[in-house]
Amino acid sequence: QVQLVESGGGVVQPGRSLRLSCAASGFTFSNYGMHWVRQAPGKGLEWVALLWYDGNNKYYADSVKGRFTISRDNSKNTLYLQMNSLRAEDTAVYYCARDYGDFVPRRLFDYWGQGTLVTVSS
Amino acid sequence: DIQMTQSPPSLSASVGDRVTITCRASQSISSYLNWYQQKPGKAPNLLIYAASTLQSGVPSRFSGSGSGTDFTLTISSLQPEDFATYYCQQSYSSTTTFGQGTRLEIK
Repeated sequence: QVQLVESGGGVVQPGRSLRLSCAASGFTFSNYGMHWVRQAPGKGLEWVALLWYDGNNKYYADSVKGRFTISRDNSKNTLYLQMNSLRAEDTAVYYCARDYGDFVPRRLFDYWGQGTLVTVSS
Repeated sequence: DIQMTQSPPSLSASVGDRVTITCRASQSISSYLNWYQQKPGKAPNLLIYAASTLQSGVPSRFSGSGSGTDFTLTISSLQPEDFATYYCQQSYSSTTTFGQGTRLEIK
């Protein structure tokens, strides 16, 4: 069965960096686009970034563009999110999610991880 | 970015009720509209995609309709496990966006 397991969250000071990981199993990881979606405490869902199956195309929300970098290692079945220059408003649960479509992303999410909490605070 | 507006923000209903949640896009998104259910402390779950296609394993009491800018999610007969928050999401643009959510509570 499809499993996505995030890790790397924690408490970090404003302006510092953090890298999240998402370990995938139960499907051919290298065939699927992957996303990061976040949810601030008590708030709604916000899409963060998309990376195509081959790592060649990346898309970001305006709120994180220039600060966050999405990447993947298909040999390790792992998705990453490098978060730099963190701000208080980046505090959220970060989910990795699989795109519904194989190869060309359809930009909807059929499997989600359990999420990892990132708290940006001094 | 395309803005997605859901109504109502919250809704109280009873088991067995028929419930409708609406979602409006700030521009036409054809049928690129999806619905998710989220329960407290859990990840969202895909219910409906392409406006009206039921995701595998989702009960048939859930249905979706609409195209262009106006969409609806209907639950025909509420069950206890349906009390949750529901989100619409557009997958029309390269940067996808969600509605703000509709919290469905027990009356």
